[in-house]
Amino acid sequence: KQEVTQIPAALSVPEGENLVLNCSFTDSAIYNLQWFRQDPGKGLTSLLLIQSSQREQTSGRLNASLDKSSGRSTLYIAASQPGDSATYLCALAASDYKLSFGAGTTVTVRA
Amino acid sequence: NAGVTQTPKFQVLKTGQSMTLQCAQDMNHNSMYWYRQDPGMGLRLIYYSASEGTTDKGEVPNGYNVSRLNKREFSLRLESAAPSQTSVYFCASSGRDRGHQPQHFGDGTRLSIL
Repeated sequence: KQEVTQIPAALSVPEGENLVLNCSFTDSAIYNLQWFRQDPGKGLTSLLLIQSSQREQTSGRLNASLDKSSGRSTLYIAASQPGDSATYLCALAASDYKLSFGAGTTVTVRA
Repeated sequence: NAGVTQTPKFQVLKTGQSMTLQCAQDMNHNSMYWYRQDPGMGLRLIYYSASEGTTDKGEVPNGYNVSRLNKREFSLRLESAAPSQTSVYFCASSGRDRGHQPQHFGDGTRLSIL
């Protein structure tokens, strides 16, 4: 059974600082890895999807890396803004495309 | 651009009552999913439907049933609600190429069982 861990559970940074969010997983036989953002009282919004054969994906200020051999993924958010405050979740898809989610990291960016 | 629509948004039930949560998507997606989210935990898959006419159990299916009514709609039923089913329920959908496309989520149904 895939176990997905996100540490820390919460993070507070001043505006402008770069954010580094970590995700670790136990089973490297994955199909893809997805990073989501969740705002309070809302559903999840997809940020980045990394295929198993890829090492990273980038979108604007966001960059996600994947290292299957070490069972780790990292989401980098450059030059953080108060609008980046949210909970960030990583999820891994097995070959049947079912997603296993981490519990998330709640980020607060202080103005 | 509605995406994934869930109804109701909030509901309070008494133990033993039954209820159906509704989900509809307008993106012509083949696959649909039901998750629950509890404090301090990630989302857990309850049931999913890879395509119209098929449904399969996820990680936590006990106490729930589902119906894939048509390609657009996927409902989740609690036959006899229990306090342990108090949670936020999310519906999601994804396109034919499930491995290369992210899942799209609704805003959730917040369900309390007294």
